[in-house]
Amino acid sequence: QVQLVESGGGLVKPGGSLRLSCAASGFTFSDYYMNWIRQAPGKGLEWVSNINQYGSTIYYADSVKGRFTISRDNAKKSVYLQMNSLRAEDTAVYYCAKRESGDAFDVWGRGTMVTVSS
Amino acid sequence: QSVLTQPPSVSAAPGQKVTISCSGDSSNIGNNYVSWYEQLPGTAPRLLIYENNKRPSGIPDRFSGSKSGTSATLGITGLQTGDEADYYCGTWDTTLSVVVFGGGTKLTVL
Repeated sequence: QVQLVESGGGLVKPGGSLRLSCAASGFTFSDYYMNWIRQAPGKGLEWVSNINQYGSTIYYADSVKGRFTISRDNAKKSVYLQMNSLRAEDTAVYYCAKRESGDAFDVWGRGTMVTVSS
Repeated sequence: QSVLTQPPSVSAAPGQKVTISCSGDSSNIGNNYVSWYEQLPGTAPRLLIYENNKRPSGIPDRFSGSKSGTSATLGITGLQTGDEADYYCGTWDTTLSVVVFGGGTKLTVL
């Protein structure tokens, strides 16, 4: 079935780095934009970044620009989020999501928790 | 605060109807499609409405969406206790070149 599975979350100190991965299955991965969306504890959804089918068009939220890098490997059906210079305010559950028509997110992973704390 | 404005909470009795509003401007809702998401406690969001008023397969017709100008509305009829969740609107913002979400609305079915 259609599925996204995130991994790579954990506890990291401020200023540290982490690389998240999202493995896709059940659909033609190379046909779709992919996104990272996060949710801080008790807070709402915050879009982080997206990447087009070819990796040639990428957008970031201002809050992560210059610190986070999104990438994808269509052969491995995976999308990644390299997170550097992490801050306490980056603490959140990070979701991977597939973009459908109209900029809607029709498939979400279960999320991976990132905690930035000393 | 969020680019899109939603009421923090709404409530209604079982079997009744509720609407949730989402307000933006011409950079986002006014010129782009709106989608709506349901998030039950402890779970990932689920797409309810895309392209303003379309339902993905498997979403019951109790859920509906509409858009007028720079505002959008989610409607839920025949409320059930299982509808208690947080609801979010989202769209692309053409000026900011980012996806924007509303702050979320907590639905309580009394």
